[in-house]
Amino acid sequence: AQKVTQAQTEISVVEKEDVTLDCVYETRDTTYYLFWYKQPPSGELVFLIRRNSFDEQNEISGRYSWNFQKSTSSFNFTITASQVVDSAVYFCALSLSEGGGNKLTFGTGTQLKVEL
Amino acid sequence: DSGVTQTPKHLITATGQRVTLRCSPRSGDLSVYWYQQSLDQGLQFLIQYYNGEERAKGNILERFSAQQFPDLHSELNLSSLELGDSALYFCASSPPGTGTHEQFFGPGTRLTVL
Repeated sequence: AQKVTQAQTEISVVEKEDVTLDCVYETRDTTYYLFWYKQPPSGELVFLIRRNSFDEQNEISGRYSWNFQKSTSSFNFTITASQVVDSAVYFCALSLSEGGGNKLTFGTGTQLKVEL
Repeated sequence: DSGVTQTPKHLITATGQRVTLRCSPRSGDLSVYWYQQSLDQGLQFLIQYYNGEERAKGNILERFSAQQFPDLHSELNLSSLELGDSALYFCASSPPGTGTHEQFFGPGTRLTVL
């Protein structure tokens, strides 16, 4: 069975600090996708990134970067020079093909608080 | 704006009642997914429909049912509501085929059971 673990329940940082959110996943499938979503206080789920299991290249998008390591089954997310607007709950998710469909298995989320 | 619409935004009802949540997928998307986000269970996959047919089932209670109509909109029916059903219910849609695994989420319906 698939599982996503986000061990950090809550992280507090001061603005401009760098912060890394950890994600560890479990699956026996060789083909899968990993995602990060942001859920601000308003409640919607905002897509941040998708990565497939065959692409271990790290990615940078502005202040965001992602480190995918299959050897440790981890897909960590780093925010550089954090800002108050980054305060949100961040979810890591794993997508597998199942019965002709796909389903997302989410981690429990990490609440990030960025303070002035 | 993902292009996925959900109605209503908020719903307040009493225990034992029945409610229907509605979702319209993005234009061209054939798959619709339902997820429940509650304080104790987190974000959980409930069910997936593809072009009117059920494709995958998750932790969906027997009191809950869903369907996808010919115009591809979907409804999630929750009956005999309990306090623990209070949650944010998300709908998501994805394009034809399973290749990209990308799901586009709607804004959610917040259900409060009193």
